[in-house]
Amino acid sequence: DTGVSQDPRHKITKRGQNVTFRCDPISEHNRLYWYRQTLGQGPEFLTYFQNEAQLEKSRLLSDRFSAERPKGSFSTLEIQRTEQGDSAMYLCASSFTGNTEAFFGQGTRLTVV
Amino acid sequence: QQQVKQSPQSLIVQKGGISIINCAYENTAFDYFPWYQQFPGKGPALLIAIRPDVSEKKEGRFTISFNKSAKQFSLHIMDSQPGDSATYFCAAETSGSRLTFGEGTQLTVNP
Repeated sequence: DTGVSQDPRHKITKRGQNVTFRCDPISEHNRLYWYRQTLGQGPEFLTYFQNEAQLEKSRLLSDRFSAERPKGSFSTLEIQRTEQGDSAMYLCASSFTGNTEAFFGQGTRLTVV
Repeated sequence: QQQVKQSPQSLIVQKGGISIINCAYENTAFDYFPWYQQFPGKGPALLIAIRPDVSEKKEGRFTISFNKSAKQFSLHIMDSQPGDSATYFCAAETSGSRLTFGEGTQLTVNP
């Protein structure tokens, strides 16, 4: 296993369009996290899953954002009706319950024009 | 609410020098304190982490010092190298929850 994989690496979209990102965690990890990072800032928590259950959502996650992890493996993050303020790096991380070490993917850089 | 405050925002050191980055936290429920290193265009990578039952942890050139009573912890990079030039983030976590990150420190090590 080569680590947490995110796809695509870069996405440019027009304002108002919908986008979907995918994250494949480390295979034995049952926890999966989404963070958002803007330039010059630390990652901000968006949501996390334990297996297929979404256990926590940040208030940053507006109604336009939805995340799923249907089979407890990969996860998708969808942003509907994108706005310029959504431009950021979207990071996925995974860990295993009982071991708090979280491993991050390379991120998806979203640019809304 | 910013629960983890990090300083300085940027740091320039000479090769071979010591880099020191400081963080302070508010939430006493935090029980895991990792440091992440991030290069441009890459995701954060775990560097070293500590739990509050110890005051210091050392791994190679990297040392975390932890002061529970002051709610502060710091990263020391000994013998800093140009390859250490990156952005460093402290973070804190409550077991079973998610990471809260500091604002980051951009470290530049001059050759």
